[in-house]
Amino acid sequence: GDSVTQMEGPVTLSEEAFLTINCTYTATGYPSLFWYVQYPGEGLQLLLKATKADDKGSNKGFEATYRKETTSFHLEKGSVQVSDSAVYFCALGNSGYSTLTFGKGTMLLVSP
Amino acid sequence: NAGVTQTPKFRVLKTGQSMTLLCAQDMNHEYMYWYRQDPGMGLRLIHYSVGEGTTAKGEVPDGYNVSRLKKQNFLLGLESAAPSQTSVYFCASRGSYNEQFFGPGTRLTVL
Repeated sequence: GDSVTQMEGPVTLSEEAFLTINCTYTATGYPSLFWYVQYPGEGLQLLLKATKADDKGSNKGFEATYRKETTSFHLEKGSVQVSDSAVYFCALGNSGYSTLTFGKGTMLLVSP
Repeated sequence: NAGVTQTPKFRVLKTGQSMTLLCAQDMNHEYMYWYRQDPGMGLRLIHYSVGEGTTAKGEVPDGYNVSRLKKQNFLLGLESAAPSQTSVYFCASRGSYNEQFFGPGTRLTVL
């Protein structure tokens, strides 16, 4: 079946540092890939998505590129802020299934 | 456009009590989902629905029932609450690219 593997956290960075959160997947067919963000006490928000190979999703300074050859969808941001502290989930949606497959989440802590 | 809303936001139950969580969406989505989130466990799918009048079991369906009588609403019921059902419950609906839109969550404590 489909699966998503994320790097374990917490990831601890200083403000303005470069961020990478790794995400790799296994899936049949041609899935869509997503990054969600969850701020403390809130629900998950869709951060960005990519629906086919080589697509780059971007939003709020975050980017991720759908790499079919390496089955990866790593999340990057050039300069993190304290307000980016949250849990980030990588997810996969396969048109053959009704549900999403989520990674376990990676906590990001950004200090001033 | 409110998106996905959930009621109530917080609830405390005693063991054995019953309750219903309500999820509503105004995006005309066919697919809706109920998840629970526990520390260190990530998101786990309880039940889902692919359209009005349909329901299906997810990863952890035991102890829960659901109903989808109207397209915009998806109800999650606990017939006899247990402390193991203490959790944060999220509802979601699915958009055109398989992305899911989540509600703000319900924090349930079972004593």
